[in-house]
Amino acid sequence: NAGVTQTPKFRILKIGQSMTLQCTQDMNHNYMYWYRQDPGMGLKLIYYSVGAGITDKGEVPNGYNVSRSTTEDFPLRLELAAPSQTSVYFCASGPNTIYFGEGSWLTVV
Amino acid sequence: GQNIDQPTEMTATEGAIVQINCTYQTSGFNGLFWYQQHAGEAPTFLSYNVLDGLEEKGRFSSFLSRSKGYSYLLLKELQMKDSASYLCAVAGGSQGNLIFGKGTKLSVKP
Repeated sequence: NAGVTQTPKFRILKIGQSMTLQCTQDMNHNYMYWYRQDPGMGLKLIYYSVGAGITDKGEVPNGYNVSRSTTEDFPLRLELAAPSQTSVYFCASGPNTIYFGEGSWLTVV
Repeated sequence: GQNIDQPTEMTATEGAIVQINCTYQTSGFNGLFWYQQHAGEAPTFLSYNVLDGLEEKGRFSSFLSRSKGYSYLLLKELQMKDSASYLCAVAGGSQGNLIFGKGTKLSVKP
């Protein structure tokens, strides 16, 4: 089982560039999440989705957008990258047990 | 608002028992999770409590008191590989909303 797969694993962006972090899960989970994790700050919820076609803002949504056109996919888009978005990003899915992807390390320079 | 508190760091000795506490204040409650995270890796699921009481799973146990907004994770027979961060997370009132505390970094020493 692949579980939760997110790509890319590492990426360097220039200020003002845009990119999409891809996330897909093969467990037929309704709930999906995007978190960012900064050193010493814990996981912060960016956006979440409770099913296809439904998304909602988390704690730190500014500068990001998401979509959920299928149950499997939950991409996260950064429209105008800023240095403050340098972080590790985790996608996760679940009903009651939340499974995480391996993380995407993003640096904005 | 929502607030989850846990100690920043703890140190324990190999073979010993350690208890990591978590207190929470959330608008609504739909369950509490504990995760383990080694440096540079993704969090991995340890336990889920939605009712009061103790859940035991091998060397790890988790306790919940909803009336007190309190949980703890108990690790027995500590091993060096248990050195990691332990994250407490609460599923709050909004459907699907899952908020994490900042994590407790546990160091296990010989």
